[in-house]
Amino acid sequence: DSGVTQTPKHLITATGQRVTLRCSPRSGDLSVYWYQQSLDQGLQFLIQYYNGEERAKGNILERFSAQQFPDLHSELNLSSLELGDSALYFCASSVVPGGYEQYFGPGTRLTVT
Amino acid sequence: EDKVVQSPLSLVVHEGDTVTLNCSYEVTNFRSLLWYKQEKKAPTFLFMLTSSGIEKKSGRLSSILDKKELFSILNITATQTGDSAVYLCANMNRDDKIIFGKGTRLHILP
Repeated sequence: DSGVTQTPKHLITATGQRVTLRCSPRSGDLSVYWYQQSLDQGLQFLIQYYNGEERAKGNILERFSAQQFPDLHSELNLSSLELGDSALYFCASSVVPGGYEQYFGPGTRLTVT
Repeated sequence: EDKVVQSPLSLVVHEGDTVTLNCSYEVTNFRSLLWYKQEKKAPTFLFMLTSSGIEKKSGRLSSILDKKELFSILNITATQTGDSAVYLCANMNRDDKIIFGKGTRLHILP
């Protein structure tokens, strides 16, 4: 158990819908990262937050957005969902940003039908 | 365009063998190279490398970085069935953007 929690574990929804994935980092970690993992694309970095502020952006679609709240938990919002958004979404946390050891949560498996 | 390429994509060996996994990269403003092990769940951190030529070791696993030739290797000696997993290499640049390779799927036969 990494100490990072993600909810829900599984999510099944229809195309065009909007969902919110939630992540609580390890106690004491200030940085949160979101990743998408699909069979064809591998593990893709989406976005990073540090102490409530957006710090780095990867291949995040405009239909996706995220935020980190004052209690340091983070949410990833996915809207206008498409079949291709079906994937495993991981959250990871680290003490500070900058390539330090990241602890991954168990992931949320999103299925868009 | 920044990229991370891992080879081989898959590898099957017998228990007790030694394996070497490769990771080459092209990254602007390199900060660090990271190795992860992913079994059926989330990736778990193995190593972070920032300097060339300094080997990092953890038990039977070791890794080294060559910043001149832009590659890293992950060695596993005396492999065990529990080493079966996907090994991921990632690069972080100074803008904190992270790129992962496709991974090497390692299968250890008993």
